[in-house]
Amino acid sequence: EAGVAQSPRYKIIEKRQSVAFWCNPISGHATLYWYQQILGQGPKLLIQFQNNGVVDDSQLPKDRFSAERLKGVDSTLKIQPAKLEDSAVYLCASSSTSGGAYNEQFFGPGTRLTVL
Amino acid sequence: KNEVEQSPQNLTAQEGEFITINCSYSVGISALHWLQQHPGGGIVSLFMLSSGKKKHGRLIATINIQEKHSSLHITASHPRDSAVYICAVRPNYQLIWGAGTKLIIKP
Repeated sequence: EAGVAQSPRYKIIEKRQSVAFWCNPISGHATLYWYQQILGQGPKLLIQFQNNGVVDDSQLPKDRFSAERLKGVDSTLKIQPAKLEDSAVYLCASSSTSGGAYNEQFFGPGTRLTVL
Repeated sequence: KNEVEQSPQNLTAQEGEFITINCSYSVGISALHWLQQHPGGGIVSLFMLSSGKKKHGRLIATINIQEKHSSLHITASHPRDSAVYICAVRPNYQLIWGAGTKLIIKP
């Protein structure tokens, strides 16, 4: 079974530039998560999708971050414009649900963003 | 007070030692996850527990729902076990993450 795919693996940009990350979850997984992990900290949930609907985006800085999952499969996360404090690893994860319960999450390799 | 507390924060041990990492939480949950993160690497799910005990190779995870406590054990530890181990609990659709335990196993 193929895992969660993310691209790019690394990205270096200057502040005020824009960047986009892509995630392809495990086939059949209805739930997709984007996390931000700053060095030395645990992951912080940015947004959670159930199919193509948003379940939780309470911690997404909506003035600069946006995410979409138009067809309920792959997803993109965009930052526009980037700030220095956005330097982090952006992790995508997916999970299936059964009987309304969420199963374990499978993580992609992450995209390491450096903002100069 | 954090809803998920892990201890210890850092642990250094010699190869072969028996390792225990603890996780206490303060909310009602439907499941608890143990995850592993290697430096520079992605996150791997080790266990998802809602009761009792699970074993996978040299890893054992236990949970006591009444006491709101879980432990992750590693038997015959090896340097390749060096990683950050994270406990996360699921009270609803969200996961609440612990801060992680950084484990270093010396040869």
